[in-house]
Amino acid sequence: EVQLLESGGGLVQPGGSLRLPCAASGFTFMNYAMTWVRQAPGKGLEWVSSISASGSSTHYADSVKGRFTISRDNFKNTLYLQMNSLRAEDTAIYYCAKKTGTTYYYYWIDVWGRGTTVTVSS
Amino acid sequence: EIVLTQSPGTLSLSPGERATLSCRASQSVSSSYLAWYQQKPGQAPRLLIYGASTRATGIPDRFSGSGSGTDFTLTISRLEPEDFAVYYCQQYGSSPPETFGQGTKLEIK
Repeated sequence: EVQLLESGGGLVQPGGSLRLPCAASGFTFMNYAMTWVRQAPGKGLEWVSSISASGSSTHYADSVKGRFTISRDNFKNTLYLQMNSLRAEDTAIYYCAKKTGTTYYYYWIDVWGRGTTVTVSS
Repeated sequence: EIVLTQSPGTLSLSPGERATLSCRASQSVSSSYLAWYQQKPGQAPRLLIYGASTRATGIPDRFSGSGSGTDFTLTISRLEPEDFAVYYCQQYGSSPPETFGQGTKLEIK
């Protein structure tokens, strides 16, 4: 069974940092691009960042560019999101999601994790 | 950047009725790179449709997608109680890699 399991969420003060791992299983992780999508309380889905299967290409939403870093370890089957300089508006559920191809363009998301909650507050 | 606008914001229907959800793009979505997702409270989204009209594995045939260019539609032919949820359209063919509509809430009348 294909599974994505996020962790690392929690309460952090403004300006703080968090690292979100997403453990993948049930598929050949190194063959698929991955993406992070977040959902603020009571709001819709917002794309955050994407990474190609090899990890050589990345893309960021303007709202997180320069503060967040996406990466992956294809030996550990794990996707990461390093979040620095956190703001109140980063408060959301963060979902890890699998794309259906090696690049993040032209392929849809077919599997989502259950999400991890990040709360930025003093 | 393509902006997706979904309508209506909320749709109130009864089980057994037909639901028609709209997704309009600000620019043409190339090669029908459009998907639909369902999200129930407290759950992650679930893929329903990709390529504008192809049902994902395990999705009942009462769900269908259609459209091209800038106008897309998700139709649920006969609503079941478990279909009441929020539905999002998404384009994945141009930058940024994912663009979502704001969602349509399908609620029981």
